[in-house]
Amino acid sequence: EAGVTQSPTHLIKTRGQQVTLRCSPISGHTSVYWYQQALGLGLQFLLWYDEGEERNRGNFPPRFSGRQFPNYSSELNVNALELEDSALYLCASSLVEADRGFFGPGTRLTVL
Amino acid sequence: AQSVTQPDIHITVSEGASLELRCNYSYGATPYLFWYVQSPGQGLQLLLKYFSGDTLVQGIKGFEAEFKRSQSSFNLRKPSVHWSDAAEYFCAVGYTGRRALTFGSGTRLQVQP
Repeated sequence: EAGVTQSPTHLIKTRGQQVTLRCSPISGHTSVYWYQQALGLGLQFLLWYDEGEERNRGNFPPRFSGRQFPNYSSELNVNALELEDSALYLCASSLVEADRGFFGPGTRLTVL
Repeated sequence: AQSVTQPDIHITVSEGASLELRCNYSYGATPYLFWYVQSPGQGLQLLLKYFSGDTLVQGIKGFEAEFKRSQSSFNLRKPSVHWSDAAEYFCAVGYTGRRALTFGSGTRLQVQP
């Protein structure tokens, strides 16, 4: 069974640009979680989508947004990129409480 | 607010020595607890998790962790460390209702030959 997958693996953008990251959950999982791991800031929760709806949001500005598609895959969009957005973006998925904990390999975003 | 504390930022052990990484959580109910390992430039690999039942949990790579409700702790242990265990280790707690996990700040493990 395939795990959580993310694309692209690496991305380089410049300040002010926009970026879209993608996540495919484990088959059958309806929830997708996005996290940011920036240098020195640890793992911070960004967004939680379930059944196509945004369920919860971390302490991030509105230029971080996303959506979940009918097949439960998800996109994370970041507008007006800033240097401090450089980070590893991790995606996780779940169906029930006990499913939580499985992460994708991440997308490393570098903003120049 | 719920939180996770990993009091040791950096630990150095000799290869073959035993290891214990500390994790304390603040949460009213019984939590879901996780330990992850992350090598440089890599994603998170799940070592083990506790949901209920036996408080001693066995994981991959020879790791185990023990849930102690009275101490609000979930410490990770390994009886004999290998050089390949050098990495960063994260403890995380999950709330009920499938909310996202809350992570500790991590412990960087260095293994001396």
